Amino acid sequence: DVVLTQTPPTSSATIGQSVSISCRSSQSLLDSDGNTYLYWYLQRPSQSPQLLIYLVSKLGSGVPNRFSGSGSGTDFTLKISGVEAEDLGVYYCVQGTHDPYTFGAGTKLELK
Amino acid sequence: EVQLVESGGGLVQPGRSLKLSCAASGFTFSDYYMAWVRQAPTKGLEWVASISYDGGSTYYRDSVKGRFTISRDNAKSSLYLQMDSLRSEDTATYYCTTADNFGAFDYWGQGVMVTVSS
Repeated sequence: DVVLTQTPPTSSATIGQSVSISCRSSQSLLDSDGNTYLYWYLQRPSQSPQLLIYLVSKLGSGVPNRFSGSGSGTDFTLKISGVEAEDLGVYYCVQGTHDPYTFGAGTKLELK
Repeated sequence: EVQLVESGGGLVQPGRSLKLSCAASGFTFSDYYMAWVRQAPTKGLEWVASISYDGGSTYYRDSVKGRFTISRDNAKSSLYLQMDSLRSEDTATYYCTTADNFGAFDYWGQGVMVTVSS
């Protein structure tokens, strides 16, 4: 199975600060159809996960544009430009290029 | 508004069976692949199974193949997960999700807890 390694495991930020989360894959996530099936999710405390980003950099429905995704191949980054209180929780990267879907271990975003 | 409501969870002994259900509303159910994703207590997320629009194709993670069966009833806008030969490692919150054309799990239910213990 594809292993996704997220760093850092925990990130502390102040409101308004920009943060980045890295996701590194054990295999290239570029599919033969030309798409890269890399997604980002946020799970707020005691809530279900919410889709933030799909296909590396496309914003999910209703997701604020302070969230952005980038990367290619095996290295991907989620950036939050100006953290807000509602952004706290655990962020997961997920790949769907290779069977089975696999999730990173998560990055917990906390208030400093 | 899209709603996914899971039910059927609970405490079950190892080796026994349980069937989860997910009632969908607010969208055309038959237009979506569907999936189950689980989360063990204090752990990360894990994909369990997916099913195609008409139920003709199903996909499972290796650890549940032969024990779990995903199915759907488009007339009832419902998704199911039949779980047999349950093990302690199946203990988790199970989420019902939609899977869009890009394979993203874009809508999630609130989750249902399954505890496998004697």
